[in-house]
Amino acid sequence: DAGVTQSPTHLIKTRGQQVTLRCSPKSGHDTVSWYQQALGQGPQFIFQYYEEEERQRGNFPDRFSGHQFPNYSSELNVNALLLGDSALYLCASSLGLAGNEQFFGPGTRLTVL
Amino acid sequence: RKEVEQDPGPFNVPEGATVAFNCTYSNSASQSFFWYRQDCRKEPKLLMSVYSSGNEDGRFTAQLNRASQYISLLIRDSKLSDSATYLCVVNKGRDNYGQNFVFGPGTRLSVLP
Repeated sequence: DAGVTQSPTHLIKTRGQQVTLRCSPKSGHDTVSWYQQALGQGPQFIFQYYEEEERQRGNFPDRFSGHQFPNYSSELNVNALLLGDSALYLCASSLGLAGNEQFFGPGTRLTVL
Repeated sequence: RKEVEQDPGPFNVPEGATVAFNCTYSNSASQSFFWYRQDCRKEPKLLMSVYSSGNEDGRFTAQLNRASQYISLLIRDSKLSDSATYLCVVNKGRDNYGQNFVFGPGTRLSVLP
């Protein structure tokens, strides 16, 4: 049973650049959520995708955008990178829109120089 | 006030001790609740869901008090392997509209030999 996978594992970018992170949900899951986790803090909710639509969004600027594909995989795009965007980006998958448990991938560590 | 608050920690306890973590949340419409654990530089992993009736899983017991907007986690007979950061999670999304998981800042536990 494949768990949540994310790519790449690590990424280094410079200010102003754009980045795309990828996520494949756990087998049987159709909902993907993205989180940003700064060092020493809990994950912060960015947004959630279901049926290829953004269903919920946290307090993140429009520079953060996403997409979900028909196979339920998802991308997170961040434009005009700032130093403060350096963090661990976590993808989580779940089943449907009810309050079910979310299962996390290993994350992508983004460093912005 | 943060949406989800936890004991600041860290908690340093000897093996075999009983330790309790507390969590409060501000959104009274929150619908589902969880405890996750996160090891250093790893992704959060689901420990247990939390129900109003209280639930137990081996050495772990979780309680929810909706009236007080309070969640607790009790670990009995703590093991070295319990050392981790414990994250309280509240879903303030509504069923069929999507999940919006709010994580607390976490409480770090170190179990000492």
